[in-house]
Amino acid sequence: RKEVEQDPGPFNVPEGATVAFNCTYSNSASQSFFWYRQDCRKEPKLLMSVYSSGNEDGRFTAQLNRASQYISLLIRDSKLSDSATYLCVVSFSGNTPLVFGKGTRLSVIA
Amino acid sequence: DAGVIQSPRHEVTEMGQEVTLRCKPISGHDYLFWYRQTMMRGLELLIYFNNNVPIDDSGMPEDRFSAKMPNASFSTLKIQPSEPRDSAVYFCASSLVGGRGANVLTFGAGSRLTVL
Repeated sequence: RKEVEQDPGPFNVPEGATVAFNCTYSNSASQSFFWYRQDCRKEPKLLMSVYSSGNEDGRFTAQLNRASQYISLLIRDSKLSDSATYLCVVSFSGNTPLVFGKGTRLSVIA
Repeated sequence: DAGVIQSPRHEVTEMGQEVTLRCKPISGHDYLFWYRQTMMRGLELLIYFNNNVPIDDSGMPEDRFSAKMPNASFSTLKIQPSEPRDSAVYFCASSLVGGRGANVLTFGAGSRLTVL
């Protein structure tokens, strides 16, 4: 079983739609959780950290369910510029390497 | 800050040739990571350094791969001899050891390697 699993997509949604991605992780001792965004042929960049109580950043909402070992990302009012691959990322502690999922590809269509 | 700087951005080489990829991390970052990305396997950690010391190289595919960090501002990843299956994008990333920036990776733009 892979450490971090994501639905690869692609998710094709119209502008203005709400879309949600889920991610599951295998190590129950995982401590830190993130979503990174990767544009085509570019490097991954931090989108947001995921906190236990859930957190929101504008149109983006991240949630963590430790009991079920999954993380979610909700994007409201999708924009064309949201088209990218979204990487779910987990680490066991503050100073251990990040483990990346293979990513979920999103295409927002006009 | 210029961010994490990698070179070359693109390299096309023939099987059997030596390949050297270079990375300059963000000044003040204590950790440096080398990742490899392919469509099939996603982002895989190859090796990482803390204060220039290699901490975990268990992700290095085989003896053909080696990495060094002679000082805080420079690291290399070498493949010798290269094989077609080494074709991938190689990312270097750096991060702080503690504080708010801990565990947040800043990636370089990547080195796209094609081995013919």
